[in-house]
Amino acid sequence: GAVVSQHPSWVICKSGTSVKIECRSLDFQATTMFWYRQFPKQSLMLMATSNEGSKATYEQGVEKDKFLINHASLTLSTLTVTSAHPEDSSFYICSARTVSSYNEQFFGPGTRLTVL
Amino acid sequence: QKEVEQDPGPLSVPEGAIVSLNCTYSNSAFQYFMWYRQYSRKGPELLMYTYSSGNKEDGRFTAQVDKSSKYISLFIRDSQPSDSATYLCATNAGGTSYGKLTFGQGTILTVHP
Repeated sequence: GAVVSQHPSWVICKSGTSVKIECRSLDFQATTMFWYRQFPKQSLMLMATSNEGSKATYEQGVEKDKFLINHASLTLSTLTVTSAHPEDSSFYICSARTVSSYNEQFFGPGTRLTVL
Repeated sequence: QKEVEQDPGPLSVPEGAIVSLNCTYSNSAFQYFMWYRQYSRKGPELLMYTYSSGNKEDGRFTAQVDKSSKYISLFIRDSQPSDSATYLCATNAGGTSYGKLTFGQGTILTVHP
């Protein structure tokens, strides 16, 4: 149980285009989903917290107009990187928690974004 | 100063060795402590989850928390090449933080046959 998937697993796009990444909880309802960014050989940096049916809460320094987050249902959250630039190239990971899991988060496999 | 400090390593040990991974934290509000294992280009996988000071054992893994010194450890006994990965400690203050985790930098571990 507690499986989280991400799609796509790897995406290459041209500078200036937008990319959408999906995060799904496959066998549970996720009241909260988190989006992280990870640079090579570095730790995870929280970008935003997404609660179903409400606006995402962004961490300091994260541009909400650039990284659009939508949590439309209890099993799906999407992250759209708008007008992507090479510096947006990174590993994006989502996680999800259930009503009962409180502090336990289940992570997706990650999406590698390369912006040319 | 980062809220959670973790020696990035890399750490290389022979198969069968006991591995000790450590983190320190500065925020007294942190109450929950986790260890994640992350293989290359994969998402983190939860290994251990603890709340109180003391030891928690699960198979070859033992998590240790010392709240008085703000020090957390993960011990791996009889290490295997399949344990080669990056190990991340994480903490959370609970309450209204809604599970928001603060991660250490991660320690890269290599277990060689």
